[in-house]
Amino acid sequence: EAEVAQSPRYKITEKSQAVAFWCDPISGHATLYWYRQILGQGPELLVQFQDESVVDDSQLPKDRFSAERLKGVDSTLKIQPAELGDSAMYLCASSLALANTEAFFGQGTRLTVV
Amino acid sequence: QQQVKQSPQSLIVQKGGISIINCAYENTAFDYFPWYQQFPGKGPALLIAIRPDVSEKKEGRFTISFNKSAKQFSLHIMDSQPGDSATYFCAATTTGANSKLTFGKGITLSVRP
Repeated sequence: EAEVAQSPRYKITEKSQAVAFWCDPISGHATLYWYRQILGQGPELLVQFQDESVVDDSQLPKDRFSAERLKGVDSTLKIQPAELGDSAMYLCASSLALANTEAFFGQGTRLTVV
Repeated sequence: QQQVKQSPQSLIVQKGGISIINCAYENTAFDYFPWYQQFPGKGPALLIAIRPDVSEKKEGRFTISFNKSAKQFSLHIMDSQPGDSATYFCAATTTGANSKLTFGKGITLSVRP
């Protein structure tokens, strides 16, 4: 069964360090999402791609977060510098197309900033 | 402003009972309402979804009831099983060119044997 792959599963980093997460969506899925899920909360959208283009990054803290999907397939989310408040689960999801509402999530990367 | 609100915050049900989780939304432009199930350490998985042109949708033991005028929808889990113990999120989105899910805060369901 096709899955959204994310790595690493867990990451511990020190405050002010840089950290990066990787996502490989389901093959053929044009739309890719990065969500942040704080413990006890629902996922919140950070950035949305259609192929290699950013469709929505209005909730991405651009002073420290960046995201790219250079070839329209896999994607990287970076935080530099990391802050204590960035500790959360970072989830990647994909769907066939922008207008396709069924999103499939990966297992996420659990980030702990110490 | 929280656009999608869930209640209750947590729920304990006996095995075989009915679990009911409610969700209210603000944005009348929303036209797709999924429920996601999340187990610890896993990403959310789509459970069942409904569009506002129907008032109810059933898939196995899971039923969504939708009330457009009240801007509310609910998830009913019949014959609840311990394996249903998880966190459940309602979500909502518009369909079309910029579809993106807005999630509720989630509720933790515990089904006791």
